Amino acid sequence: QSVLTQPPSASGTPGQRVTISCSGSSSNIGSTAVNWYQQLPGTAPKLLMYSNSQRPSGVPDRFSGSKSGTSASLAISGLQSEDEADYYCAAWDDSLNGYVFGTGTKVTVL
Amino acid sequence: EVQLLESGGGLVQPGVSLRFSCAASGFIFSNYAMSWVRQAPGKGLEWVAAISGSGGNTYYADSVKGRFTISRDNSKNTLYLQMNSLRAEDSAVYYCARDPGSRKGFDAWGQGTLVTVSS
Repeated sequence: QSVLTQPPSASGTPGQRVTISCSGSSSNIGSTAVNWYQQLPGTAPKLLMYSNSQRPSGVPDRFSGSKSGTSASLAISGLQSEDEADYYCAAWDDSLNGYVFGTGTKVTVL
Repeated sequence: EVQLLESGGGLVQPGVSLRFSCAASGFIFSNYAMSWVRQAPGKGLEWVAAISGSGGNTYYADSVKGRFTISRDNSKNTLYLQMNSLRAEDSAVYYCARDPGSRKGFDAWGQGTLVTVSS
């Protein structure tokens, strides 16, 4: 059972802005950094955002992240067809003494 | 180039044991913590276990604690996951992932290896 809650789906037309939320608690998001992963169909996950809002090399600046209290969000600006994928938030949980992933959000480009 | 290559998956019966390996290359293996993450068919990601760079510290998800053991051989640049008393709910693609530390996320992933637990 996932500890971090995400909406199951999000969608938009090309060029639109889409935002994905990730809700946690004081033992995870509230006390440590949030990371985001993108999983394209049939492939391994890829680190998309780390330390709440840092993009690894090669990730377009269309992607941005933020955190406030026990929630985090990922925004995709200028949505493109290649952004169609599953997105997961993740964080360390001090109570569980382990990593926790979000429930995942499927982004569809209409 | 950083590469992680898992092996050891397959079809097994409930109750048996299985060991996965993850061969690492392209980086100084001992400098990084490593994790195993799994994904059941059509489901989300689930963290399974983690190990520090030296191997001295290990962490497990409650769902596998007492049944799975994570280990590493830094002389062979290889990560392992020993899985005992396998259950149907352990059926999943298992990924090994590199952890640079400081809660910066898993910055490299293997291609995954599938285990199906079924009678």
